[in-house]
Amino acid sequence: DAMVIQNPRYQVTQFGKPVTLSCSQTLNHNVMYWYQQKSSQAPKLLFHYYDKDFNNEADTPDNFQSRRPNTSFCFLDIRSPGLGDAAMYLCATSSVLGKLFFGSGTQLSVL
Amino acid sequence: QKEVEQDPGPLSVPEGAIVSLNCTYSNSAFQYFMWYRQYSRKGPELLMYTYSSGNKEDGRFTAQVDKSSKYISLFIRDSQPSDSATYLCAMSEDNYGQNFVFGPGTRLSVLP
Repeated sequence: DAMVIQNPRYQVTQFGKPVTLSCSQTLNHNVMYWYQQKSSQAPKLLFHYYDKDFNNEADTPDNFQSRRPNTSFCFLDIRSPGLGDAAMYLCATSSVLGKLFFGSGTQLSVL
Repeated sequence: QKEVEQDPGPLSVPEGAIVSLNCTYSNSAFQYFMWYRQYSRKGPELLMYTYSSGNKEDGRFTAQVDKSSKYISLFIRDSQPSDSATYLCAMSEDNYGQNFVFGPGTRLSVLP
């Protein structure tokens, strides 16, 4: 089945230790997104790619970076995680217009 | 005032009940409206996708949009314990994914 796959499902890191989350898709969608979702809150868009064009939301901290080496894969790098970065990180894809398809998310804990 | 508001719940109903979940919004330019279901510790899953006003039905689910009142609803008929999840509404002016605005979600529990 075509889908969006995120790895790992759970990630534990230490305060200040860099961490990378990964996302892959078999939907062949042009657009990929990274969202941060904290408990009982709406998903918050961090950035998105239209093909290789990177678009950063204005309020996304510099601590968050992303790479999209090809159509299928996208990575979220958190350079120096703080306690406030503990959250669910959601990857999503879409064609140019329309519906968002989400992965199962990576739950990040920061100790 | 937040752009999209939802009653956070939790909402608890007995199995078989009709459930009504609602969102209000402030931006009258929104034209595309979606409902996502999110199980605990999982990603959101698209349930319903509608354009402009009116109703859309899919099995036990009905989405309703009232643009004049800036109010959308999701009705679930014959609710099941498997419907227990958080329901997020989302909306946008232009159908570009990066412009979708999400509500914080309503947590629903359907009790057997």
